This record gives sequence, structure tokens and C-alpha cells, in this order.
Amino acid sequence: SQQGEEDPQALSIQEGENATMNCSYKTSINNLQWYRQNSGRGLVHLILIRSNEREKHSGRLRVTLDTSKKSSSLLITASRAADTASYFCATDIQDSSYKLIFGSGTRLLVRP
Amino acid sequence: EAGVTQFPSHSVIEKGQTVTLRCDPISGHDNLYWYRRVMGKEIKFLLHFVKESKQDESGMPNNRFLAERTGGTYSTLKVQPAELEDSGVYFCASSLILAGSETQYFGPGTRLLVL
Repeated sequence: SQQGEEDPQALSIQEGENATMNCSYKTSINNLQWYRQNSGRGLVHLILIRSNEREKHSGRLRVTLDTSKKSSSLLITASRAADTASYFCATDIQDSSYKLIFGSGTRLLVRP
Repeated sequence: EAGVTQFPSHSVIEKGQTVTLRCDPISGHDNLYWYRRVMGKEIKFLLHFVKESKQDESGMPNNRFLAERTGGTYSTLKVQPAELEDSGVYFCASSLILAGSETQYFGPGTRLLVL
């Protein structure tokens, strides 16, 4: 099974609404990162939350981390059509390379 | 400052042929990672360089894949001979230092299709 699992797999909302995506993981982590991928493009780093942090904000993004439940959530407030993309959480396990372990992603569609 | 760049953006080859992908990390970034996403599956780690040395190549699928980073700058990933299951998107990422809270910056990816 995967280190990072996103939920839901797909989400469709109206412009202006909030979108919440969840991520669960299994092992101890150093940090958790959220990335966005627009169709056919690369991964854009959105936000990093350290294992000793519980909440972090960046613009319209709010990320929470609950290490006791091994879960994180990404909230996008006042969504825009341009937010339509796939969103991935990634954790780096505590090994020598800090490689990222990705979940399968949530596909977000924001309808204008 | 330029981001991570990858070349080519797309590659279509026939089974049995050779393809070489290139990644130029952000200038000054010692850490360079390769990941790939095959159709319908998760993005998975392939290997990690620190400067010119392979730090971790535990994700390399088999010996048809060869990665190099001569001089510790750009990196190449060669697939020889390519198989159908190698089709997917190959991402490169770089980070400045090796630490637990260091952001990895990704390139746009190379889309490989093996026919």
C-alpha cells in the first residue's frame, strides 16, 4: 500500500466554493508537501509543513498536519477556475536521501 | 533564476530503441532526483544524486536504466533498450541541501511513449 493516499480521488466544485483534500500516510515523516500539477505540465510546489507544525497558511491555501493520525488536509478557499488541477501530497521518509513518496492525487475541477 | 529544465519534453520511440533524457537542476543545487509516473499509477522515486555521486538508487526498476551526473551539474537518464512498460512521465527535481525540510523543485517532465 502507498505511503500517501489522497481522498477524494476526484472533486468537482463551483467557483468560489472551498475545496478540501485529505492525505494519509503510514510511516514517520520529516515533512509533508503539497504539489499541484496542471494538465500536461510539471509539478508545482505549493506548501511544505514540517512534522512539528500543525497548521500553515499560504494565500488561499491552508494545510493542517496531524501526526497522531498520520494525516494532512489541504484547503483551498474561494476557488477559481485556474485552480483546476491534480493535487498531490508527498512525504519524505526518514532515510538518507529524503526521497518523496507521493500519493495518487486528487483531481480537482472548479466549474466557472 | 531559472527553474529545473528537462529535455526533451516529449519522446516517442519504438520498443528496443534507446532514449536519453536530460535534466538541468537549479544552479547550485547539489541534490538531484529522478521520479517517474507510469500510466495510472503514483509518482515514484527512481534515484538521487548528491553532486555527482549516487546517494540512493533503490527505485531504479532494472539495469536497462542508467543515470549519470558527470561533474555534478546536469544529469542524464538513459533507457536501453526501451520496453512498452517504460512509457510514462519522467520528472526531475532538485534541492539545495540534503535536509528534512528542504523543498524539492520539479521540472516539467519528459513524456515518454514506447510503441
